[in-house]
Amino acid sequence: AQRVTQPEKLLSVFKGAPVELKCNYSYSGSPELFWYVQYSRQRLQLLLRHISRESIKGFTADLNKGETSFHLKKPFAQEEDSAMYYCALTGFGNEKLTFGTGTRLTIIP
Amino acid sequence: DTGVSQNPRHKITKRGQNVTFRCDPISEHNRLYWYRQTLGQGPEFLTYFQNEAQLEKSRLLSDRFSAERPKGSFSTLEIQRTEQGDSAMYLCASSFGGVIDTQYFGPGTRLTVL
Repeated sequence: AQRVTQPEKLLSVFKGAPVELKCNYSYSGSPELFWYVQYSRQRLQLLLRHISRESIKGFTADLNKGETSFHLKKPFAQEEDSAMYYCALTGFGNEKLTFGTGTRLTIIP
Repeated sequence: DTGVSQNPRHKITKRGQNVTFRCDPISEHNRLYWYRQTLGQGPEFLTYFQNEAQLEKSRLLSDRFSAERPKGSFSTLEIQRTEQGDSAMYLCASSFGGVIDTQYFGPGTRLTVL
């Protein structure tokens, strides 16, 4: 079975402070991990994925297979980062995405 | 707008009625997915199509649910004899169809069953 755990439902961070959104997963094969973001009144959109190893909007995420984690980080939070963030998992030969329950990030001005 | 589109955006129905939702994927995308999202949860996979073939269905998809993609383009999701527990956001996504493609989501259809 595959599972994604986001332990924090809510996270508030001051503008300019570092951000870390936690994601842990359970998967028997070789996983591909994603972070999706949903801004207010907008559709779910891809923020970044492990395989591309990009930094998007200042966010990065490192896949740690030993700790089965894919935490999302940003060194300096901005007000426009306030949104709902979902970690998601899939794998080779497995087309569906399994999502975590999401973390609502609020940046305090 | 060349993204995934879904219609209607909102649907209110009475328990026991049938409802149908439509999803139009990004035009060159071969794969189409349906997810359901309830309050406080992440999206949960329902089913997906590769062109017109329905290749996987979740156990969440009871006999009252049926999905089609007759010409490999748009898809419909029908719920028969709706129940209050069917109230949710129904999301559609599409992808090219390669190995571990990025899925692009539509705005969703919010269903409320009274």
